[in-house]
Amino acid sequence: DADVTQTPRNRITKTGKRIMLECSQTKGHDRMYWYRQDPGLGLRLIYYSFDVKDINKGEISDGYSVSRQAQAKFSLSLESAIPNQTALYFCATSDSGTGVTEAFFGQGTRLTVV
Amino acid sequence: QKEVEQDPGPLSVPEGAIVSLNCTYSNSAFQYFMWYRQYSRKGPELLMYTYSSGNKEDGRFTAQVDKSSKYISLFIRDSQPSDSATYLCAMLLYNFNKFYFGSGTKLNVKP
Repeated sequence: DADVTQTPRNRITKTGKRIMLECSQTKGHDRMYWYRQDPGLGLRLIYYSFDVKDINKGEISDGYSVSRQAQAKFSLSLESAIPNQTALYFCATSDSGTGVTEAFFGQGTRLTVV
Repeated sequence: QKEVEQDPGPLSVPEGAIVSLNCTYSNSAFQYFMWYRQYSRKGPELLMYTYSSGNKEDGRFTAQVDKSSKYISLFIRDSQPSDSATYLCAMLLYNFNKFYFGSGTKLNVKP
């Protein structure tokens, strides 16, 4: 089983619909991130959380919200989806305790808003 | 100005070639420098990381950091078709543990 699991893997939704992307991890890491990836733009940070009570906006948070339900779960919501939110979304984790510099990524969720 | 700049490519080379991938950055406070590899339909995976300036070698891969020029490189020797992927550079402000990614360079190694 993957250490960082994202659900769903693919989703097509209509403009104006609310949608939630879920992420769970078994690595025991305290820090979790949501990124979106677009061709030519790379990975852009949407939100990040350094622990359950700490939520921070990234560079492109408008139109998104998040919830850290537990240390292992971090969900991303699009309250009213629009076509330019069509992208590949990645959840990632990292561990502050060991000073490790690595971010571990899920397999991604391909979201299409029509 | 973006924090991290990376040529998106695509870069196409014959098998066995030496590949050079590069990034520039603007924030002199970055302390850790990483290269991630992303295969199609997969999440990025850490390939190598270096701390501060200098070189680090791992098999066919060499990561190089020049902090004075704010420039990092990844060299791949004897490139293989299995190296075909998108390579993303990433940088870290250690105290904040926020990762800053380049846009990725798509590499195709032809048999």
